[in-house]
Amino acid sequence: DAGVTQSPTHLIKTRGQQVTLRCSPKSGHDTVSWYQQALGQGPQFIFQYYEEEERQRGNFPDRFSGHQFPNYSSELNVNALLLGDSALYLCASSQFYLYEQYFGPGTRLTVT
Amino acid sequence: EDKVVQSPLSLVVHEGDTVTLNCSYEVTNFRSLLWYKQEKKAPTFLFMLTSSGIEKKSGRLSSILDKKELFSILNITATQTGDSAVYLCAVAYNSNYQLIWGAGTKLIIKP
Repeated sequence: DAGVTQSPTHLIKTRGQQVTLRCSPKSGHDTVSWYQQALGQGPQFIFQYYEEEERQRGNFPDRFSGHQFPNYSSELNVNALLLGDSALYLCASSQFYLYEQYFGPGTRLTVT
Repeated sequence: EDKVVQSPLSLVVHEGDTVTLNCSYEVTNFRSLLWYKQEKKAPTFLFMLTSSGIEKKSGRLSSILDKKELFSILNITATQTGDSAVYLCAVAYNSNYQLIWGAGTKLIIKP
């Protein structure tokens, strides 16, 4: 049973560029949540997708957007990258009516 | 403002010691509290607690929730070097399924 997968593992971008991160949820899960985790901090909730719609959103600017596909996989897009966007981006999947989330290995984004 | 606070922020102990990690919370309409272990990247699920006073146990790890005093503790007995990790606490609140996270406790076990 494949767990949550994310790609790419690492990414280096320049300020002002755009980036797309990808996530495939655990088999049987229909909900994907995205988190940003800075060094030494807990995950910060970006948004959650269910039934191809953004259901919840944390305190992140519109530069952060996402998408969920019919196969439940998801993308996180960040436009106009800032140095402060450098972080570990975690994807977590779950079943919509359950709180327990399973995490992928994350994408380490470095903005220079 | 909804928040989750973990303490201590870091802890160094020797193998064989017992440790207690704390998680306190202030949220609207508490639903559940979850503990995760983060070793390198992906946090891995440990426990979910919904009811007060009922201990959840898995091997040397155990956890309990106090909904009156708004906190949970995670105990690890007979610690091993493999227990070295960041332990994260998250709380589900309101009627959505969003989690709010603490900053974590970094636990280092010395041989």
